[in-house]
Amino acid sequence: AQTVTQSQPEMSVQEAETVTLSCTYDTSESNYYLFWYKQPPSRQMILVIRQEAYKQQNATENRFSVNFQKAAKSFSLKISDSQLGDTAMYFCAFMKLGGTYKYIFGTGTRLKVLA
Amino acid sequence: EPEVTQTPSHQVTQMGQEVILRCVPISNHLYFYWYRQILGQKVEFLVSFYNNEISEKSEIFDDQFSVERPDGSNFTLKIRSTKLEDSAMYFCASYYEEGEAFFGQGTRLTVV
Repeated sequence: AQTVTQSQPEMSVQEAETVTLSCTYDTSESNYYLFWYKQPPSRQMILVIRQEAYKQQNATENRFSVNFQKAAKSFSLKISDSQLGDTAMYFCAFMKLGGTYKYIFGTGTRLKVLA
Repeated sequence: EPEVTQTPSHQVTQMGQEVILRCVPISNHLYFYWYRQILGQKVEFLVSFYNNEISEKSEIFDDQFSVERPDGSNFTLKIRSTKLEDSAMYFCASYYEEGEAFFGQGTRLTVV
């Protein structure tokens, strides 16, 4: 069975600084996607970034980028130029391709951006 | 942009009552899901639904829960006799076959 681990329950960062959130996962699968989701106080799940396991290149979306280390089963999220609106809960998630395509979520990291 | 819609956004119910949470997935999607998030905790998979039947369910999804897609558009989660510990945020999601699943905005269920 797959597991996703986020070892940082809470983090804080100064506005305009860079922060990295950690995620590790365990799987024997070779075809899968990894995701980072943001959950603001409204509790809606907002996709931040997606990484396909077959792609060696790290995904980037504006200020958000990942460091995907497939052999190490590590998938960290880097947020550059942090903004107050980045304050939220961040969840790492794993999806195996094929089967039911269900998500396995980590326990989340609560990020607070300080003015 | 297509979106998954859930109703109601918040439901309060008496313990022991039945509740139905409703979702309208994206129209051309094939896979449908319910996830649950107890306040302050992680998002947990409940059930997946494909080709008009349950394709997988978690151990949380016991006999008190059921899902239905009655009319080809709505996707519902029924809890027959609610317990206090069913209080949570319930997310519906739908998926095609590429990319990411789309999540609804959630229904906050409060059992009193």
